[in-house]
Amino acid sequence: QVHLQESGPGLVKPSGTLSLTCAVSGGSISSSYWWSWVRQTPGKGLEWIGEIYPSGRTTYNPSLQSRVTLSVDKSKNQFSLMVTSVTAADTAVYYCARGSVVIAPHYMDVWGKGTTVTVSS
Amino acid sequence: NFMLTQPHSVSESPGKTVTISCTRSSGTIASNYVQWYQQRPGGAPTAVIYENKRRPSGIPDRFSGSIGSSSNSASLTISGLKTEDEADYYCQSYDATNHVVFGGGTKLTVL
Repeated sequence: QVHLQESGPGLVKPSGTLSLTCAVSGGSISSSYWWSWVRQTPGKGLEWIGEIYPSGRTTYNPSLQSRVTLSVDKSKNQFSLMVTSVTAADTAVYYCARGSVVIAPHYMDVWGKGTTVTVSS
Repeated sequence: NFMLTQPHSVSESPGKTVTISCTRSSGTIASNYVQWYQQRPGGAPTAVIYENKRRPSGIPDRFSGSIGSSSNSASLTISGLKTEDEADYYCQSYDATNHVVFGGGTKLTVL
C-alpha cells in the first residue's frame, strides 16, 4: 500500500521560498501516476497547485505557475514543491497526492496527511 | 478554464438522503470525469467517487455519483445518512490541458 508523507519547514518568511518534499513509500515514484500538490488555506477549500509525471513533465495551476516549480528525485523516491516570493496568502496546509493517469485521469487515490506552512516574519 | 460551483452547505437528518450538486461553468460536464472527495475535520481528503459514479474499495454503496447533461452538473448522493458522514465534500475535474479544478466544497451537517 502506497503512503505519502510531506515534510519541510513549518515557517517561512515573507518574500522567501517555500520548499516541501513528499516521500513515497510502499511503491515506486517511477510508476505511471501524476504526483500532485494541493493546498488548503485556513477555513477555505482545496486549491490544486500542480503535478509532475515521472518523466519530469509538469502541469501547473495558471494562477501559481510563475512562482511554482515541481521536481522528482527517483533515487530518493520523492517529489518536491518550491514556491517563491511567498506572502501571507500562501499560508496553508499543503498536501501531496497521487493522481491516476489511466483510470479516471487525475483521480487522486492516495493523499498525504498534509503539512502546515505559515508565512510570517 | 472553468469553475465548479457547489452549494456552501447542506443539512439533513440521520437516515435521510442528501444530494450535493457540482455545476460546471463552461464546457460540458461529461467531457471529463468528475471525482468526489470527503474531508473530515482535521483530516486529509479521501475519495468517495471517481469516474463520475464509481466507488473506491471500502466506500459503502450509500454513496453514489451521477452527471446530468441538461444541468451540466455532477451530483453526489448519500443515502441512509449517518453522523459519521458529516464532513466537507469536494468535487474535482480537469480540462483538456490537464489542469485540475476543485469545487469550492460543501459542508454536510447531519443533525
